[in-house]
Amino acid sequence: NAGVTQTPKFQVLKTGQSMTLQCAQDMNHNSMYWYRQDPGMGLRLIYYSASEGTTDKGEVPNGYNVSRLNKREFSLRLESAAPSQTSVYFCASSENQRMNTGELFFGEGSRLTVL
Amino acid sequence: RKEVEQDPGPFNVPEGATVAFNCTYSNSASQSFFWYRQDCRKEPKLLMSVYSSGNEDGRFTAQLNRASQYISLLIRDSKLSDSATYLCVVNTGKLIFGQGTTLQVKP
Repeated sequence: NAGVTQTPKFQVLKTGQSMTLQCAQDMNHNSMYWYRQDPGMGLRLIYYSASEGTTDKGEVPNGYNVSRLNKREFSLRLESAAPSQTSVYFCASSENQRMNTGELFFGEGSRLTVL
Repeated sequence: RKEVEQDPGPFNVPEGATVAFNCTYSNSASQSFFWYRQDCRKEPKLLMSVYSSGNEDGRFTAQLNRASQYISLLIRDSKLSDSATYLCVVNTGKLIFGQGTTLQVKP
C-alpha cells in the first residue's frame, strides 16, 4: 500500500533556481495539502486543495504555487528558491476537508536545502 | 500568540514512568482535537482523537478541557518505543499543528 508518495526525498538548490515537488495518493482522497516543517515552528500549511479542481492558500503561501493535476496528484512549485525556503516539505491527503476524523495521511517528506 | 502551544521539551523519563503533556489552544470555536506522533525524520501519524469525555487507548489517555482551552496526553508505563515527538492538533476548520513535545524514554 503506497499511500502518499512524494518526490524527490532530498534536493539541494541554489538561490533563484526553480523546482517542483510531486505528490500522489492512491487512497481516492478528495483533499490534499502541502505543509512545511521547520524547527520550533511546527507544521505550517502552504496550500491545500479541498477537491479536484480547487486550490487555496494556507498560512504561508508566498513563494509557492500549486497544481492539482487530477484527483491523485498535487504538486508544489518553487519558482525562485530562497534560503528561507530551506525546510522539510510534507504532502498529505484526507478523505475530505471537514476533517471529521482528523486523520491526515502524510508522505515521507522532502528535505530541501537552498544555498 | 501561537494558535496551538506546546512545551517542546525534551521530556526525559525512565522506562515504566508515567508522563503527561499539555497543549493549549487559543480559538475557543475549535471543533475537534487530536494527538499525532512523529518519529525522528519520519512523517507524522495520527495517534488518537481527543473527546470531551476523555478517552483511552491502551497506555494512552487523552483529555480535553474546553473551559481552560487545553488538551492533555498521558502515557503510562513508558516504553523505549514511545520515544518520539507528540504533536497537538486542533481543528478550527483547518488542522493547526503545535510544534510538538519531544519524549525520550531511557532504559
